[in-house]
Amino acid sequence: KNEVEQSPQNLTAQEGEFITINCSYSVGISALHWLQQHPGGGIVSLFMLSSGKKKHGRLIATINIQEKHSSLHITASHPRDSAVYICAVFRMNRDDKIIFGKGTRLHILP
Amino acid sequence: KAGVTQTPRYLIKTRGQQVTLSCSPISGHRSVSWYQQTPGQGLQFLFEYFSETQRNKGNFPGRFSGRQFSNSRSEMNVSTLELGDSALYLCASSLGDRASTDTQYFGPGTRLTVL
Repeated sequence: KNEVEQSPQNLTAQEGEFITINCSYSVGISALHWLQQHPGGGIVSLFMLSSGKKKHGRLIATINIQEKHSSLHITASHPRDSAVYICAVFRMNRDDKIIFGKGTRLHILP
Repeated sequence: KAGVTQTPRYLIKTRGQQVTLSCSPISGHRSVSWYQQTPGQGLQFLFEYFSETQRNKGNFPGRFSGRQFSNSRSEMNVSTLELGDSALYLCASSLGDRASTDTQYFGPGTRLTVL
């Protein structure tokens, strides 16, 4: 079983819909990051979380440390939000290594 | 301020050869991390450097090595290339000394094809 699981793997939605992408992990973590990767490969860091909730524009990220779960929400989705969204956790132990989820491929239809 | 740059952007090598990839971080950033991305395995962590010191290393064979220079620029080297090394190699820089607590800025990547 992967230490970081994302769901769904693929998501197609209509423009304007509210989107939720989930990330569950099985290890103790010091931080969780959400990344966005557009076709062509460029990766942008969206959020860095260790507790609670963060908001940036139409994007909201939450984390529940006790339940080992994080969600990324997109409100009023737009075709330009089409990308792969990747959850990454930093393990809380001596090595603090980063582990990535497999990503969620989001396609927003106009 | 210029972003993270990686050279070359594309590279084709044959099995058994070696390759060196270069990463120039954002000016002022002292931490550089390297990642490998393949369709099958997704993103995997290779190395993390801070102030010329390797702080962390992923689970890759010894054929994968790297270093960081005093100007924070970093290189990674892969010797005795195998077909499975074909991947997108990404570099990311951050301001602080720990990638876990800092925003990482990613370069465009080097796409390596091994024939």
